[in-house]
Amino acid sequence: KNEVEQSPQNLTAQEGEFITINCSYSVGISALHWLQQHPGGGIVSLFMLSSGKKKHGRLIATINIQEKHSSLHITASHPRDSAVYICAVYRMDSNYQLIWGAGTKLIIKP
Amino acid sequence: ETGVTQTPRHLVMGMTNKKSLKCEQHLGHNAMYWYKQSAKKPLELMFVYNFKEQTENNSVPSRFSPECPNSSHLFLHLHTLQPEDSALYLCASSQARFYEQYFGPGTRLTVT
Repeated sequence: KNEVEQSPQNLTAQEGEFITINCSYSVGISALHWLQQHPGGGIVSLFMLSSGKKKHGRLIATINIQEKHSSLHITASHPRDSAVYICAVYRMDSNYQLIWGAGTKLIIKP
Repeated sequence: ETGVTQTPRHLVMGMTNKKSLKCEQHLGHNAMYWYKQSAKKPLELMFVYNFKEQTENNSVPSRFSPECPNSSHLFLHLHTLQPEDSALYLCASSQARFYEQYFGPGTRLTVT
């Protein structure tokens, strides 16, 4: 079993829908990172959080340390939100290694 | 110019060639990273430099050789690669080793 699991692996939705992507992890962490990768490869950091909730524009990230779970929400989704969303955790032991999830491929249809 | 830049963006090389990938960051960061991303796989960390010193080498074959001449520049020297080395190679930087990472656009490498 991977130490970082994302769900769903693939998600297709209509423009305007509320999107939720989930990340569960099985190790102790110091922080969790949400990133976005567009077709062509470029990766953009969205959030880094260790507790609570962060909001930036239409994106909201939450984390529950006790449940070892984080969610990324997109409100009023738009086709330009189509990308792969990646969760990565800074593991507390093992020299704070960054453990990567496999990503969630999101397609927003107009 | 801001952020993290990588050159070239695309590279096709034969198995006997020698080439180098370049990464430059304009963020004043002290840590730099090389990642490999193969199709449908999570990112794999290859090398980490912190304050110009290599701190991690995750069992990367010797045909990949990193170089970090200063905190702003990172190179990945390639020689006698294999077709399975074809992948997207991403460079990242962060303020220090365990801080938020900022990524370059990547180099799409094809080994023929």
